[in-house]
Amino acid sequence: DTEVTQTPKHLVMGMTNKKSLKCEQHMGHRAMYWYKQKAKKPPELMFVYSYEKLSINESVPSRFSPECPNSSLLNLHLHALQPEDSALYLCASSQDANRGLWTDTQYFGPGTRLTVL
Amino acid sequence: ILNVEQSPQSLHVQEGDSTNFTCSFPSSNFYALHWYRWETAKSPEALFVMTLNGDEKKKGRISATLNTKEGYSYLYIKGSQPEDSATYLCALPLNAGGTSYGKLTFGQGTILTVHP
Repeated sequence: DTEVTQTPKHLVMGMTNKKSLKCEQHMGHRAMYWYKQKAKKPPELMFVYSYEKLSINESVPSRFSPECPNSSLLNLHLHALQPEDSALYLCASSQDANRGLWTDTQYFGPGTRLTVL
Repeated sequence: ILNVEQSPQSLHVQEGDSTNFTCSFPSSNFYALHWYRWETAKSPEALFVMTLNGDEKKKGRISATLNTKEGYSYLYIKGSQPEDSATYLCALPLNAGGTSYGKLTFGQGTILTVHP
């Protein structure tokens, strides 16, 4: 099973709402990632978790709060977002981000399409 | 080249045509190059991971080559089919080392449309 699932598929929220995006994988991967993708742009890395610990935060605003409750789950908590945060949010996982092996394939979910009104 | 660049941005071909596109990257500190295919409304799908200069990988009608000395990789599709229509992305770890494990920088992608 090489599937990464993400819920919800679509999310519309107001600037005062609090919502969460969820990501799950059952491949035994110990690295999980959040990417943001704006229209006609490549995916941009936001966060990397390795062994349930945050290892990379790409200077993401604090209105985005990641959480990794266990090795299979990754959440992204959203609060007080701005309209410019509207984008496709992709989750990915790979075997291990700590091994320093750049050959580890990242497996992506289908994304959550977020619209902030 | 300071970043990851892909060309062309988009490509329209007829079914049965063969096609190729390019990923260019900084040739210094090369570690690996990943190719992904991303169909609309689906997950990006890993195609190849390439590491060695002169590497050639093949998956069905799709193949890729790598030249790390000059900083480019080509992706070839032989006998394109409508189901090959997708965005093709390459990605590399730039500024690798330290605590940056897992960080891939993606190119802008090449959007391929195969017309029946």
